[in-house]
Amino acid sequence: GQQLNQSPQSMFIQEGEDVSMNCTSSSIFNTWLWYKQEPGEGPVLLIALYKAGELTSNGRLTAQFGITRKDSFLNISASIPSDVGIYFCAGQLSNDMRFGAGTRLTVKP
Amino acid sequence: NAGVTQTPKFQVLKTGQSMTLQCAQDMNHEYMSWYRQDPGMGLRLIHYSVGAGITDQGEVPNGYNVSRSTTEDFPLRLLSAAPSQTSVYFCASSYPHATVREQFFGPGTRLTVL
Repeated sequence: GQQLNQSPQSMFIQEGEDVSMNCTSSSIFNTWLWYKQEPGEGPVLLIALYKAGELTSNGRLTAQFGITRKDSFLNISASIPSDVGIYFCAGQLSNDMRFGAGTRLTVKP
Repeated sequence: NAGVTQTPKFQVLKTGQSMTLQCAQDMNHEYMSWYRQDPGMGLRLIHYSVGAGITDQGEVPNGYNVSRSTTEDFPLRLLSAAPSQTSVYFCASSYPHATVREQFFGPGTRLTVL
């Protein structure tokens, strides 16, 4: 089945710094999504991307759907302590959705 | 709206025991799914349903059964629990659409099989 490679696995950054994480796949997807998960909770959708090449922003978050449909990145600008959590990418094709292993973000005040 | 609810929140089973994880949503979503989350592996799709009476297998269906008798409920059954099924289980729902699958996740059930 399709495998998503998400990197980096973890990041330790200073408050105010920008963050970048990405996901690559050996297969194409029709939709790319980025989720954030906090301890003890389910993932919450941050950004959904529906077309190859699409660039979408949600506040300080920006994500892009790669032209090849096999990759996506998420940027967080001017990080703040509440950005702490695990960020997951997900690729969807038809009724199947695959998730990356997550990027654990720690923000030091 | 309560969104997606899951019960129980925590469960400990012995090997060979059976149990049902409950999932309900009050958003009239047609698509519902079950995932398991293991350390370092992200979420993996177990089973999904595109509407009442219709279910299908995901990436890791072995050892799990599902049914969808109503739009609101999508229970996940473990017939004979194994230690390899120790995990956190998430239920999710969404409106079906040709290219959109913006799922809403429940809070999860943490299952330990001894």
